[in-house]
Amino acid sequence: DTGVSQDPRHKITKRGQNVTFRCDPISEHNRLYWYRQTLGQGPEFLTYFQNEAQLEKSRLLSDRFSAERPKGSFSTLEIQRTEQGDSAMYLCASSELAGLREQYFGPGTRLTVT
Amino acid sequence: AQKVTQAQTEISVVEKEDVTLDCVYETRDTTYYLFWYKQPPSGELVFLIRRNSFDEQNEISGRYSWNFQKSTSSFNFTITASQVVDSAVYFCALSGLNYGGSQGNLIFGKGTKLSVKP
Repeated sequence: DTGVSQDPRHKITKRGQNVTFRCDPISEHNRLYWYRQTLGQGPEFLTYFQNEAQLEKSRLLSDRFSAERPKGSFSTLEIQRTEQGDSAMYLCASSELAGLREQYFGPGTRLTVT
Repeated sequence: AQKVTQAQTEISVVEKEDVTLDCVYETRDTTYYLFWYKQPPSGELVFLIRRNSFDEQNEISGRYSWNFQKSTSSFNFTITASQVVDSAVYFCALSGLNYGGSQGNLIFGKGTKLSVKP
């Protein structure tokens, strides 16, 4: 298995533009998580999917953020009308279904909003 | 609320020294899990260990060892005979069943940056 992959690895965009990131989890993992990490901080939870169902969203996930996981496979995270404060590393992780299993992280997408 | 505190922001050691990274957690859950992750300069978080709240046995894996003490709500990580390749940011994380993380989302500390000099 190739692990969790994310695309693109880097994205530079101008304020006000929309951006979309993709995450491909480990194939047999039912759970998929999105986190955001800013410089000098630990990752912060954004949202979580079990198969195709989005089961939990953090207060950090404003109305400008939307995530999908059609067919329970890959997931996309879209940010509309980006702001400079959205600049961060966006991390995707996946885990097995049973219990509170360890999560395996992708390499992240670094977003810079100018 | 759930919280993870890593009081050491940065640690610098010379190769072959032993080093301990501290982690203190807060949770109201009776069932919870603790994790350590490594984030090397390349940026990708690497899973190191998962420990559940009912298992207080210390664990050793090669040069790595972990000390879990529920009485002090601590889950410390020791690297023995450190090497330059151990240089990274290390994160402690918590996941509980009932409060603030019902489906396993991780609550991370701010991380400890370890620099191992040759």
